[in-house]
Amino acid sequence: EDKVVQSPLSLVVHEGDTVTLNCSYEVTNFRSLLWYKQEKKAPTFLFMLTSSGIEKKSGRLSSILDKKELFSILNITATQTGDSAVYLCAVSTDSWGKLQFGAGTQVVVTP
Amino acid sequence: EAQVTQNPRYLITVTGKKLTVTCSQNMNHEYMSWYRQDPGLGLRQIYYSMNVEVTDKGDVPEGYKVSRKEKRNFPLILESPSPNQTSLYFCASSFRTEQFFGPGTRLTVL
Repeated sequence: EDKVVQSPLSLVVHEGDTVTLNCSYEVTNFRSLLWYKQEKKAPTFLFMLTSSGIEKKSGRLSSILDKKELFSILNITATQTGDSAVYLCAVSTDSWGKLQFGAGTQVVVTP
Repeated sequence: EAQVTQNPRYLITVTGKKLTVTCSQNMNHEYMSWYRQDPGLGLRQIYYSMNVEVTDKGDVPEGYKVSRKEKRNFPLILESPSPNQTSLYFCASSFRTEQFFGPGTRLTVL
């Protein structure tokens, strides 16, 4: 059975801190790994990772994939209150976009 | 504007009363799917469709039906809703892997 596990489940940090979120996976047919951000609405796309060791970066967010150890991390540096959200990791297991999601990590950034 | 729309956004109903949640996308995507989101469980796929008249079960299909008669529309049907179907539902569409999500439908079944 395909499995995607995120950790921690939730965390609270102060503005300016750095946050590291983890996503490990066990799937039978890995195609890519995706990160989404979800505030009080629909998930919005952050990154898609297909190759090991290549960092994807967007502003203060970055992510990297390790296909040998079957995990990915999402880093958020210099956190702001607007980063407060649930961060979802998903693994794609076919070319059409079937996604297996983790339970998410709730991040709360306090002023 | 490229988007996925869902209606209704909020719905409170009673056990056994058939309901349909509509989903429409304007991006000409072939792949569409329905998810439900429950606390601590993340997003779980209910049904998906790879094209018109092609649908298949996801991870939690029991109690749901779908149809795909047109490329842009993918309605979710609950023939006899039960309280355990109270959840937040998302429709999504994609061309390849990146999925675009609708705004969500919060369903409560009493």
